[in-house]
Amino acid sequence: DIVMTQSPAILSVSPGERATLSCRASQSVDNNLAWYQQRPGQAPRLLMQGASSRATGVPARFSGSGSGTDFTLIISSLQSEDFAVYFCQQYSVWPLTFGGGTKVEI
Amino acid sequence: QVQLQESGPRLVKPSETLSLTCTVSGVSFSSHYWSWIRQSPGKGLEWLGFVDSSGPARYDPSLRSRLIISADTSKSQVSLRLSSVTVADTGVYYCASLRGYAYGFDSWGQGTLVTVSS
Repeated sequence: DIVMTQSPAILSVSPGERATLSCRASQSVDNNLAWYQQRPGQAPRLLMQGASSRATGVPARFSGSGSGTDFTLIISSLQSEDFAVYFCQQYSVWPLTFGGGTKVEI
Repeated sequence: QVQLQESGPRLVKPSETLSLTCTVSGVSFSSHYWSWIRQSPGKGLEWLGFVDSSGPARYDPSLRSRLIISADTSKSQVSLRLSSVTVADTGVYYCASLRGYAYGFDSWGQGTLVTVSS
């Protein structure tokens, strides 16, 4: 199975600051990578797929990059609603696998 | 707007079978793939498998011997049956949709917490 490793586990930032989240795959997944946001008590929400394509309704302050094994999600200016847990997921190879998550907190 | 609603027993005894149903609305059932994903504190998010309206289901190999996912197009429902459960199968079970193999999960149900306990 492809192991997805996210770092850091916890990211402490202030509103208005920039947040940079990393995701690394144990082998190449090309650009077959998605990012999700999960707020407390809610289901995950798709933010990004194809590593860099924002899902419908996702604000432009979210951007994704990377290919192969190393990926980045950037939130350019954190809003209060962005404090949540973020997961990456590869869909290049079955079984589909998720990273352990990065919690973005104040 | 795609809506997915999971339903089924919240408490299952060890060694028994966990059965859940996901009812889909707001989208053509045959135009998407339908998946089950679970989340637990110990294992994080785990993809369990998916099915479409016409082809065979695909499963996580580690669960293949215990898991059946099926689709009922006439009812716009996706079902999950996980046999011989243990406490390790406790978690929140989500139904989710995707447009195809090369896409992320674009809609999710609210999830249902299933506890395995005697």
